[in-house]
Amino acid sequence: NAGVTQTPKFQVLKTGQSMTLQCAQDMNHNSMYWYRQDPGMGLRLIYYSASEGTTDKGEVPNGYNVSRLNKREFSLRLESAAPSQTSVYFCASSTTSGDPYEQYFGPGTRLTVT
Amino acid sequence: SQKIEQNSEALNIQEGKTATLTCNYTNYSPAYLQWYRQDPGRGPVFLLLIRENEKEKRKERLKVTFDTTLKQSLFHITASQPADSATYLCALVENYGQNFVFGPGTRLSVLP
Repeated sequence: NAGVTQTPKFQVLKTGQSMTLQCAQDMNHNSMYWYRQDPGMGLRLIYYSASEGTTDKGEVPNGYNVSRLNKREFSLRLESAAPSQTSVYFCASSTTSGDPYEQYFGPGTRLTVT
Repeated sequence: SQKIEQNSEALNIQEGKTATLTCNYTNYSPAYLQWYRQDPGRGPVFLLLIRENEKEKRKERLKVTFDTTLKQSLFHITASQPADSATYLCALVENYGQNFVFGPGTRLSVLP
């Protein structure tokens, strides 16, 4: 069981470039999430997906798009990167059984936009 | 406005003592409150969840309380060890998992 995997681990972009962050989970979870983490601000929800084929905006969706490709994969796209999007991005998945909404996080992608 | 705060950015305690971390929130109605541990350069790891109708939850050396009247959760680590040094995050869960709100975290250092 790999849990939640994210690629890439690090990325440097120039302003205006685009990129897609990939996330996959092998725990058969329905819900998946994308967060960004900035110093002093905690984790902020960008988008979430309650199930395959559905996505909803979180607290800070502007400048991002997402795709829930199938139950395993949830990708985050930056169409035109801006320096304000420099951050650490985490993907997570969660269960509704056991301890409901316990989230499992990936290792993160450290993104720098210059 | 809605806000979630954790008592301090950093907390230093001596090995063997009990660490107490605080999470306060305003203008939220969470059904659940969670605590996570985050080590540098890694993703958060789930520790405990407490429901709105529960007053206290324990797991090994960890204890969480939840007071919905005070809008506060306390997180205790008893007999703390240097290996407990990490950042601890509280998170509110609303709308059946459709909305997670994380606090900024408290960085705990347990000194030998």
